[in-house]
Amino acid sequence: GIQVEQSPPDLILQEGANSTLRCNFSDSVNNLQWFHQNPWGQLINLFYIPSGTKQNGRLSATTVATERYSLLYISSSQTTDSGVYFCAVRDPQGGSEKLVFGKGTKLTVNP
Amino acid sequence: ETGVTQSPTHLIKTRGQQVTLRCSSQSGHNTVSWYQQALGQGPQFIFQYYREEENGRGNFPPRFSGLQFPNYSSELNVNALELDDSALYLCASSQYPRNSSYEQYFGPGTRLTVT
Repeated sequence: GIQVEQSPPDLILQEGANSTLRCNFSDSVNNLQWFHQNPWGQLINLFYIPSGTKQNGRLSATTVATERYSLLYISSSQTTDSGVYFCAVRDPQGGSEKLVFGKGTKLTVNP
Repeated sequence: ETGVTQSPTHLIKTRGQQVTLRCSSQSGHNTVSWYQQALGQGPQFIFQYYREEENGRGNFPPRFSGLQFPNYSSELNVNALELDDSALYLCASSQYPRNSSYEQYFGPGTRLTVT
């Protein structure tokens, strides 16, 4: 099945810094989502971005489907950005909507 | 618009017992998927339900079973609980066939502890 790799696994920033999180995937996909998991476990949808670039406030994402990677940019980070960021892609094999997740990037933003 | 809801929030069970977790899909969604997330890992796909039938299954044994009801809500049942079943169980809903995207939306999860 499809493989999803995220880097870096851990990231520690000072408030106000910028960061880039990367997601590589092993097969062509038609669904890629970025999530932020808060300390209570809730997965918050950040972007649905199978290709192209999107921006939402201080966050933006770019997916280059032909090269099988996606990037999540966080600018002017805040302590509330802390948590785990997951990339997930729809497995192209089979007829279900199965999402395959990476292992996540744990972001810690210090004041 | 009502989001995905799950119950209960937390649950403690003993090894060998059975458990039922519940999920209500987001309004307008007809497909429900269940995921298991062990500590420090990404969520793993258990199975998906569409039109009250299982529509895809991950690498989980048959003691993990589910149901979908006519109102699109769903249950996850786990029999003969094992210690390794301790995890966060997440439910996600989506709309199929899709008008514009495959986007899935997740509920807050049920944290199951097996002792």
